[in-house]
Amino acid sequence: EDQVTQSPEALRLQEGESSSLNCSYTVSGLRGLFWYRQDPGKGPEFLFTLYSAGEEKEKERLKATLTKKESFLHITAPKPEDSATYLCAVHPGKSGSEKLVFGKGTKLTVNP
Amino acid sequence: NAGVMQNPRHLVRRRGQEARLRCSPMKGHSHVYWYRQLPEEGLKFMVYLQKENIIDESGMPKERFSAEFPKEGPSILRIQQVVRGDSAAYFCASSPNSSGNTIYFGEGSWLTVV
Repeated sequence: EDQVTQSPEALRLQEGESSSLNCSYTVSGLRGLFWYRQDPGKGPEFLFTLYSAGEEKEKERLKATLTKKESFLHITAPKPEDSATYLCAVHPGKSGSEKLVFGKGTKLTVNP
Repeated sequence: NAGVMQNPRHLVRRRGQEARLRCSPMKGHSHVYWYRQLPEEGLKFMVYLQKENIIDESGMPKERFSAEFPKEGPSILRIQQVVRGDSAAYFCASSPNSSGNTIYFGEGSWLTVV
Protein backbone atom coordinates (compact mmCIF):
# COMPACT_ATOMS: atom_id res chain seq x y z
CA GLU A 1 0.00 0.00 0.00
CA ASP A 2 1.27 3.47 -0.87
CA GLN A 3 2.22 5.36 2.26
CA VAL A 4 3.68 8.73 3.28
CA THR A 5 5.08 9.44 6.75
CA GLN A 6 6.13 12.89 7.82
CA SER A 7 8.32 13.71 10.79
CA PRO A 8 8.35 15.34 13.18
CA GLU A 9 4.63 15.90 13.72
CA ALA A 10 5.38 19.30 15.22
CA LEU A 11 8.50 21.46 15.32
CA ARG A 12 9.20 24.64 17.22
CA LEU A 13 12.10 26.82 16.09
CA GLN A 14 13.48 30.16 17.09
CA GLU A 15 13.68 32.75 14.36
CA GLY A 16 16.88 32.13 12.41
CA GLU A 17 17.26 28.52 13.60
CA SER A 18 17.57 26.34 10.49
CA SER A 19 16.14 22.82 10.39
CA SER A 20 14.72 20.10 8.12
CA LEU A 21 11.39 18.34 7.77
CA ASN A 22 11.30 14.74 6.63
CA CYS A 23 8.92 12.91 4.30
CA SER A 24 9.42 9.15 3.94
CA TYR A 25 7.44 7.28 1.34
CA THR A 26 6.75 3.79 0.05
CA VAL A 27 5.05 3.71 -3.32
CA SER A 28 4.75 1.45 -6.29
CA GLY A 29 6.66 3.72 -8.62
CA LEU A 30 6.87 7.49 -8.23
CA ARG A 31 5.54 9.96 -10.76
CA GLY A 32 6.11 12.98 -8.55
CA LEU A 33 6.55 14.21 -4.98
CA PHE A 34 4.88 17.44 -3.91
CA TRP A 35 5.32 19.85 -1.01
CA TYR A 36 2.50 22.14 0.07
CA ARG A 37 2.13 24.70 2.81
CA GLN A 38 -1.19 25.00 4.66
CA ASP A 39 -2.19 27.84 6.95
CA PRO A 40 -5.06 27.37 9.44
CA GLY A 41 -8.44 27.60 7.74
CA LYS A 42 -6.88 27.71 4.27
CA GLY A 43 -6.24 25.35 1.40
CA PRO A 44 -2.85 23.81 0.65
CA GLU A 45 -0.54 26.19 -1.20
CA PHE A 46 1.80 24.61 -3.73
CA LEU A 47 5.53 24.88 -3.02
CA PHE A 48 7.52 22.31 -5.02
CA THR A 49 7.30 19.30 -7.32
CA LEU A 50 10.19 16.82 -7.49
CA TYR A 51 10.30 14.02 -10.04
CA SER A 52 13.54 12.07 -9.65
CA ALA A 53 16.13 11.16 -7.02
CA GLY A 54 18.83 13.78 -6.72
CA GLU A 55 16.58 16.62 -7.76
CA GLU A 56 16.59 19.80 -5.67
CA LYS A 57 14.43 22.93 -5.81
CA GLU A 58 14.66 26.20 -3.91
CA LYS A 59 12.34 29.05 -3.14
CA GLU A 60 13.38 31.84 -0.77
CA ARG A 61 14.27 30.16 2.56
CA LEU A 62 13.03 26.72 1.48
CA LYS A 63 14.88 23.94 -0.32
CA ALA A 64 13.38 20.57 -1.18
CA THR A 65 15.46 17.48 -1.97
CA LEU A 66 14.52 13.98 -3.07
CA THR A 67 16.06 10.52 -2.69
CA LYS A 68 14.62 7.14 -3.61
CA LYS A 69 12.95 6.75 -0.23
CA GLU A 70 12.48 10.22 1.24
CA SER A 71 12.35 13.93 0.72
CA PHE A 72 13.57 16.74 2.93
CA LEU A 73 12.30 20.28 3.20
CA HIS A 74 15.15 22.42 4.50
CA ILE A 75 14.27 25.74 6.09
CA THR A 76 17.15 28.20 6.35
CA ALA A 77 16.96 31.05 8.86
CA PRO A 78 13.18 30.78 9.26
CA LYS A 79 10.96 33.73 10.08
CA PRO A 80 7.69 33.75 12.06
CA GLU A 81 5.75 34.02 8.79
CA ASP A 82 7.06 30.56 7.86
CA SER A 83 4.86 29.12 10.62
CA ALA A 84 2.40 26.72 8.95
CA THR A 85 1.72 23.04 8.41
CA TYR A 86 3.87 21.59 5.66
CA LEU A 87 2.35 18.73 3.69
CA CYS A 88 4.12 16.14 1.59
CA ALA A 89 2.31 14.11 -1.08
CA VAL A 90 3.30 11.47 -3.61
CA HIS A 91 1.79 10.59 -6.95
CA PRO A 92 2.16 6.81 -7.24
CA GLY A 93 3.09 5.33 -10.57
CA LYS A 94 -0.01 3.18 -10.98
CA SER A 95 -1.32 3.46 -14.49
CA GLY A 96 -4.55 5.42 -14.70
CA SER A 97 -4.44 6.64 -11.11
CA GLU A 98 -4.22 10.37 -10.60
CA LYS A 99 -4.69 10.51 -6.86
CA LEU A 100 -2.10 11.96 -4.51
CA VAL A 101 -1.29 10.24 -1.23
CA PHE A 102 -0.67 12.77 1.53
CA GLY A 103 1.20 12.59 4.81
CA LYS A 104 -0.34 14.06 7.94
CA GLY A 105 1.95 17.06 7.84
CA THR A 106 4.51 18.76 10.05
CA LYS A 107 3.24 21.74 12.03
CA LEU A 108 6.03 24.31 12.14
CA THR A 109 6.04 27.16 14.64
CA VAL A 110 8.73 29.82 14.38
CA ASN A 111 9.03 32.04 17.44
CA PRO A 112 10.36 35.61 17.12
CA ASN B 1 -4.53 28.95 -4.25
CA ALA B 2 -5.62 31.82 -6.47
CA GLY B 3 -7.97 30.65 -9.16
CA VAL B 4 -9.69 27.56 -7.75
CA MET B 5 -12.95 28.87 -6.35
CA GLN B 6 -14.96 26.96 -3.81
CA ASN B 7 -18.26 27.81 -2.22
CA PRO B 8 -19.65 27.92 0.27
CA ARG B 9 -16.62 28.36 2.51
CA HIS B 10 -18.58 27.27 5.55
CA LEU B 11 -21.74 25.21 5.66
CA VAL B 12 -23.80 23.96 8.59
CA ARG B 13 -26.27 21.17 8.07
CA ARG B 14 -28.50 19.19 10.40
CA ARG B 15 -28.28 15.41 10.35
CA GLY B 16 -30.27 14.04 7.43
CA GLN B 17 -30.02 17.15 5.25
CA GLU B 18 -28.14 17.45 1.98
CA ALA B 19 -24.90 19.34 1.42
CA ARG B 20 -23.80 20.66 -1.97
CA LEU B 21 -20.28 21.93 -2.41
CA ARG B 22 -19.25 23.75 -5.57
CA CYS B 23 -15.89 24.15 -7.26
CA SER B 24 -14.79 26.18 -10.26
CA PRO B 25 -11.32 25.14 -11.47
CA MET B 26 -8.55 27.50 -12.45
CA LYS B 27 -8.89 29.04 -15.88
CA GLY B 28 -7.62 26.63 -18.50
CA HIS B 29 -7.85 23.60 -16.19
CA SER B 30 -10.08 20.72 -17.23
CA HIS B 31 -9.28 18.23 -14.47
CA VAL B 32 -10.90 18.46 -11.05
CA TYR B 33 -10.16 16.53 -7.86
CA TRP B 34 -11.95 16.42 -4.52
CA TYR B 35 -10.15 15.67 -1.26
CA ARG B 36 -11.43 15.46 2.30
CA GLN B 37 -9.52 16.47 5.42
CA LEU B 38 -10.79 15.15 8.72
CA PRO B 39 -9.53 16.66 11.99
CA GLU B 40 -6.02 15.40 12.80
CA GLU B 41 -5.95 13.42 9.55
CA GLY B 42 -4.18 13.93 6.26
CA LEU B 43 -5.90 14.86 3.04
CA LYS B 44 -7.68 11.87 1.51
CA PHE B 45 -8.49 11.54 -2.18
CA MET B 46 -12.16 11.18 -3.01
CA VAL B 47 -12.77 11.57 -6.74
CA TYR B 48 -11.19 12.73 -9.99
CA LEU B 49 -13.30 14.17 -12.80
CA GLN B 50 -12.97 15.62 -16.23
CA LYS B 51 -15.77 17.44 -18.01
CA GLU B 52 -18.85 15.17 -18.01
CA ASN B 53 -16.80 12.16 -16.87
CA ILE B 54 -15.92 10.57 -13.56
CA ILE B 55 -12.45 9.11 -14.08
CA ASP B 56 -11.65 7.72 -10.63
CA GLU B 57 -14.05 7.59 -7.68
CA SER B 58 -12.14 5.00 -5.69
CA GLY B 59 -12.00 7.28 -2.64
CA MET B 60 -15.68 8.08 -2.50
CA PRO B 61 -17.89 6.40 0.10
CA LYS B 62 -20.23 4.00 -1.69
CA GLU B 63 -23.40 5.59 -0.35
CA ARG B 64 -24.69 9.15 0.00
CA PHE B 65 -21.77 10.78 -1.84
CA SER B 66 -21.77 11.77 -5.51
CA ALA B 67 -19.83 14.13 -7.73
CA GLU B 68 -20.28 15.67 -11.13
CA PHE B 69 -18.48 18.06 -13.46
CA PRO B 70 -20.98 19.12 -16.12
CA LYS B 71 -20.12 20.53 -19.52
CA GLU B 72 -21.15 23.97 -18.26
CA GLY B 73 -20.77 25.20 -14.70
CA PRO B 74 -18.83 24.15 -11.63
CA SER B 75 -18.05 20.73 -10.29
CA ILE B 76 -20.41 19.69 -7.49
CA LEU B 77 -19.81 17.35 -4.59
CA ARG B 78 -23.12 16.23 -3.15
CA ILE B 79 -23.59 14.57 0.22
CA GLN B 80 -27.07 13.23 0.95
CA GLN B 81 -28.48 12.54 4.42
CA VAL B 82 -25.42 13.94 6.17
CA VAL B 83 -24.18 12.42 9.43
CA ARG B 84 -21.88 13.88 12.09
CA GLY B 85 -18.95 11.91 10.68
CA ASP B 86 -19.21 13.90 7.43
CA SER B 87 -18.02 17.02 9.28
CA ALA B 88 -14.73 17.88 7.60
CA ALA B 89 -12.98 20.26 5.26
CA TYR B 90 -13.57 19.42 1.60
CA PHE B 91 -10.96 20.67 -0.82
CA CYS B 92 -11.21 20.92 -4.55
CA ALA B 93 -8.13 20.99 -6.74
CA SER B 94 -7.54 21.37 -10.46
CA SER B 95 -4.84 20.76 -13.04
CA PRO B 96 -4.49 21.51 -16.74
CA ASN B 97 -4.10 17.82 -17.49
CA SER B 98 -3.02 14.65 -15.71
CA SER B 99 0.17 12.60 -15.87
CA GLY B 100 1.91 13.86 -12.76
CA ASN B 101 1.20 17.54 -13.18
CA THR B 102 0.92 19.73 -10.13
CA ILE B 103 -2.60 20.19 -8.78
CA TYR B 104 -3.67 23.49 -7.24
CA PHE B 105 -6.10 23.62 -4.35
CA GLY B 106 -8.94 25.93 -3.46
CA GLU B 107 -9.53 27.37 -0.01
CA GLY B 108 -11.87 24.59 0.97
CA SER B 109 -15.45 24.18 2.17
CA TRP B 110 -15.87 23.49 5.88
CA LEU B 111 -18.91 21.32 6.55
CA THR B 112 -20.29 21.06 10.06
CA VAL B 113 -23.10 18.61 10.76
CA VAL B 114 -25.10 19.33 13.90
